[in-house]
Amino acid sequence: DQQVKQNSPSLSVQEGRISILNCDYTNSMFDYFLWYKKYPAEGPTFLISISSIKDKNEDGRFTVFLNKSAKHLSLHIVPSQPGDSAVYFCAASIQGAQKLVFGQGTRLTINP
Amino acid sequence: NAGVTQTPKFQVLKTGQSMTLQCAQDMNHNSMYWYRQDPGMGLRLIYYSASEGTTDKGEVPNGYNVSRLNKREFSLRLESAAPSQTSVYFCASSEGRYSNQPQHFGDGTRLSIL
Repeated sequence: DQQVKQNSPSLSVQEGRISILNCDYTNSMFDYFLWYKKYPAEGPTFLISISSIKDKNEDGRFTVFLNKSAKHLSLHIVPSQPGDSAVYFCAASIQGAQKLVFGQGTRLTINP
Repeated sequence: NAGVTQTPKFQVLKTGQSMTLQCAQDMNHNSMYWYRQDPGMGLRLIYYSASEGTTDKGEVPNGYNVSRLNKREFSLRLESAAPSQTSVYFCASSEGRYSNQPQHFGDGTRLSIL
């Protein structure tokens, strides 16, 4: 049972445009969400996070939006740059719990 | 800054062989984790250690054992490797006990079981 789902295995975006990566979850107990970025042959690196008490968190070119009623979050990257080409994982957790549950990942390709 | 270091980077085993994957962090983090990544499955938690001296099962612990040797080191052991354990294994660490504190990952060990 996949509690965190990223339904788009891949996404291709032109350089300079907006990239939108989506993530859905089924467990209403999740109250903290994170995005990680992964380059080939490297480990994931933390990108941005959001608590369920917020609906938006922004860090430079990266913004995460949370829609609790729809159990949906999205990562917006504006403007997209070639170095953003990577696999992006969303992850969810329950406050006070030790475990993260990851989605399957979305491969983002930024085209010149 | 080394961060999280995993050894080896690659390994090929035969079915039934045993092996220990090593992980060390130099950030003085309290919590450490072992994940496996399989195509289309994301990262799945195998075991974790909230602090030195404690370990707990994650989502997919069967076939694995772990040892939190000290605050820096957390090893993962396959006692009798099976082809289903072919995967990329990632070790991670975080400062605190809770999952809302970002985890720092090593670069992974690519393990093939023949």
